[in-house]
Amino acid sequence: NAGVTQTPKFQVLKTGQSMTLQCAQDMNHEYMSWYRQDPGMGLRLIHYSVGAGITDQGEVPNGYNVSRSTTEDFPLRLLSAAPSQTSVYFCASTPLQGGDSPLHFGNGTRLTVT
Amino acid sequence: GENVEQHPSTLSVQEGDSAVIKCTYSDSASNYFPWYKQELGKRPQLIIDIRSNVGEKKDQRIAVTLNKTAKHFSLHITETQPEDSAVYFCAATSGGGADGLTFGKGTHLIIQP
Repeated sequence: NAGVTQTPKFQVLKTGQSMTLQCAQDMNHEYMSWYRQDPGMGLRLIHYSVGAGITDQGEVPNGYNVSRSTTEDFPLRLLSAAPSQTSVYFCASTPLQGGDSPLHFGNGTRLTVT
Repeated sequence: GENVEQHPSTLSVQEGDSAVIKCTYSDSASNYFPWYKQELGKRPQLIIDIRSNVGEKKDQRIAVTLNKTAKHFSLHITETQPEDSAVYFCAATSGGGADGLTFGKGTHLIIQP
């Protein structure tokens, strides 16, 4: 098992550009989520999904869209990148709904918006 | 929603000494409390977790205690070693799915040789 795979590892965007951060897991986990990590802020939940076809907002959803067409994939879309979205993004999954079991994190995507 | 406070933000201890990191949470319905360790440039990895029906859990040099009445939980690392140097995050959730895990802001643990 590869676990949770995120691509790309690094990305530089200009303000206003759009892009998609990819996340895939091969553990058949129902629950998937996206976090952003900023210095001194910990990890903040952006969006999450409890199964295919179901998504919901977390603490900081503005400027991001998600979809969950399959159990395996949970892409995060930045519609119009802003410097405030410069961050490290982590995708995570867990087998149970609600995340009250250990999260498996991907290796992260470091995004810089200039 | 849940709010998790974590202290201290930085902790420096001598190698071999113990380290304690404390967290408080706001939602009395929270019932799952994991701790993650993140080394520089790496992803967070679970080191220990505890559920609300247990007051203490130990795994070798690491232990976690939970006080539901006071709504706080702590990570204890004994006989610290250089490889314990990292950022540690506590988290809490009620497991209902609506909020996922809420994380503290992290503690940078430095082990002095």
